[in-house]
Amino acid sequence: DTGVSQNPRHKITKRGQNVTFRCDPISEHNRLYWYRQTLGQGPEFLTYFQNEAQLEKSRLLSDRFSAERPKGSFSTLEIQRTEQGDSAMYLCASSLGQGGGNQPQHFGDGTRLSIL
Amino acid sequence: AQSVAQPEDQVNVAEGNPLTVKCTYSVSGNPYLFWYVQYPNRGLQFLLKYITGDNLVKGSYGFEAEFNKSQTSFHLKKPSALVSDSALYFCAVLQTGANNLFFGTGTRLTVIP
Repeated sequence: DTGVSQNPRHKITKRGQNVTFRCDPISEHNRLYWYRQTLGQGPEFLTYFQNEAQLEKSRLLSDRFSAERPKGSFSTLEIQRTEQGDSAMYLCASSLGQGGGNQPQHFGDGTRLSIL
Repeated sequence: AQSVAQPEDQVNVAEGNPLTVKCTYSVSGNPYLFWYVQYPNRGLQFLLKYITGDNLVKGSYGFEAEFNKSQTSFHLKKPSALVSDSALYFCAVLQTGANNLFFGTGTRLTVIP
């Protein structure tokens, strides 16, 4: 049973550069979520896909952030013109379900982004 | 609006003793409640959930949690702590009709040998 896979595990970049992260969910899961976690905090919701449709975006997701899930399988999260405040762990999760969405979300190990 | 409070940043317990990690919540309607554990440099691992039914929920690795509607609490418990239980624990709530989990700030559990 393969879990949620995220790449890269670590990304170090200079302020102003663009970065892209990839998430491969559990294969039969139709729901995919992105969260951001900063030190000493719990994860904060960024965005949610059901299949290929992006159904919800948090106010945290500024216009520099974009997420896609083109074929309803893997997803990418791109941050343009990175800023110091973007330094965080970016977590991807997936789950199975329709409607209420109360099935457990299964998390990947995250991508840790460090902005120099 | 929804919120989750984990009032203790740190909990220390001796190995073999029972442990409790506290969580209270505020949400509109009936809550869906979850506990996750996070080890260093890893993602979150699902432990257990409460959706409906029996107030005592059993989960992975011998953990259980008790839903108390009147006190709006969902405390995580284990009868006998192991050193390997040392980790960061997060309580989360899913509001009915919502799609995203709302997490507390976490409680660091240290089990002392």
